[in-house]
Amino acid sequence: AQSVSQHNHHVILSEAASLELGCNYSYGGTVNLFWYVQYPGQHLQLLLKYFSGDPLVKGIKGFEAEFIKSKFSFNLRKPSVQWSDTAEYFCAVIVKAAGNKLTFGGGTRVLVKP
Amino acid sequence: GEEVAQTPKHLVRGEGQKAKLYCAPIKGHSYVFWYQQVLKNEFKFLISFQNENVFDETGMPKERFSAKCLPNSPCSLEIQATKLEDSAVYFCASSPPWGNQPQHFGDGTRLSIL
Repeated sequence: AQSVSQHNHHVILSEAASLELGCNYSYGGTVNLFWYVQYPGQHLQLLLKYFSGDPLVKGIKGFEAEFIKSKFSFNLRKPSVQWSDTAEYFCAVIVKAAGNKLTFGGGTRVLVKP
Repeated sequence: GEEVAQTPKHLVRGEGQKAKLYCAPIKGHSYVFWYQQVLKNEFKFLISFQNENVFDETGMPKERFSAKCLPNSPCSLEIQATKLEDSAVYFCASSPPWGNQPQHFGDGTRLSIL
């Protein structure tokens, strides 16, 4: 079965620092890739998605992610974080051959200190 | 509506009682998904529907769990004879009928089994 791994469970950083969250998946076929964010007390919101084309994807709120097929990775980056980026971040994958359900990573809790 | 609406927000049941959760997808979306999040960890896929038809039920526990999406009614997820381990947040998501579209999530229903 496919799996999604997020290497960091907790990240603490200061405002203006750069953020990179790792995500690896285990399936070798065609995939759609997503990053979702869950702010405290809120529902999951889509940050960005990759279906095909340019492997560098830009999302909302200054986030971007790079799909590296050879590494089965889809890491999330933001050059300069703000206190309001404090949230939990989830990487998710749709394996096209397995239908359209999302398989999520375990999440990374990010705390940005003001 | 423009948002996935889940009710109730919180549901408390004694062990052995029945629990029923509801989800109204975004108008025009034909796919509905149910996910279970235990202890703020990974999201586990339960079941998906295409309109009123079960699309993928590979994540549904064989016993006690059932779900429906009937025309002109909110979708529902029902758990019979609840157990302590059913305590979780249950998220519903919906997506449009055309391909390569992200899923939009509701706020979730927090189910507490005492």
